[in-house]
Amino acid sequence: DTGVSQNPRHKITKRGQNVTFRCDPISEHNRLYWYRQTLGQGPEFLTYFQNEAQLEKSRLLSDRFSAERPKGSFSTLEIQRTEQGDSAMYLCASSPGLAVNEQFFGPGTRLTVL
Amino acid sequence: ILNVEQSPQSLHVQEGDSTNFTCSFPSSNFYALHWYRWETAKSPEALFVMTLNGDEKKKGRISATLNTKEGYSYLYIKGSQPEDSATYLCAPQDSNYQLIWGAGTKLIIKP
Repeated sequence: DTGVSQNPRHKITKRGQNVTFRCDPISEHNRLYWYRQTLGQGPEFLTYFQNEAQLEKSRLLSDRFSAERPKGSFSTLEIQRTEQGDSAMYLCASSPGLAVNEQFFGPGTRLTVL
Repeated sequence: ILNVEQSPQSLHVQEGDSTNFTCSFPSSNFYALHWYRWETAKSPEALFVMTLNGDEKKKGRISATLNTKEGYSYLYIKGSQPEDSATYLCAPQDSNYQLIWGAGTKLIIKP
């Protein structure tokens, strides 16, 4: 399967713990996006990378959130000191960097903070 | 681009009926309009990308139109089938490549 993959698919954690999610984009795609989606809402933009450079971060992304894409391939999203409000679906998408920015999504990681 | 609105929020349609729903967006700084379908337990999947005013795209029983001057797009489904049940998301793209997502229209097809 050459699509976007995300691991883990589900994560249950206790408040205050740190969690890390991984996204493997489509191999030739140079743009990678992280989104958060809560019930009844569309995807909310968190951050995006052009190759290894993190070009934009949303104001939603507090200092407890950090994302990396060290070699311009896979990316990780870490949430430190998780709060119950962090419970959501975290989606990763990649795109080939064309002007019309069609994005290809992974299956998401469902985070539940108890 | 701010204030992407999709209506209705949810929709129940009898199998075999046709339906449509709307995406409204500010027309300034517009570059493209994306429609995605998101089925439960699956990844969002691209349906259409449209860039020009008056564009119309079609894929099987699903079609979409675009009016960039007044800032809206319609998605039409003809002869709804149970497999059409999903959330349909629209996302206008600005010239900085960013997609701004609507909250979606949740479509439920009743057999």
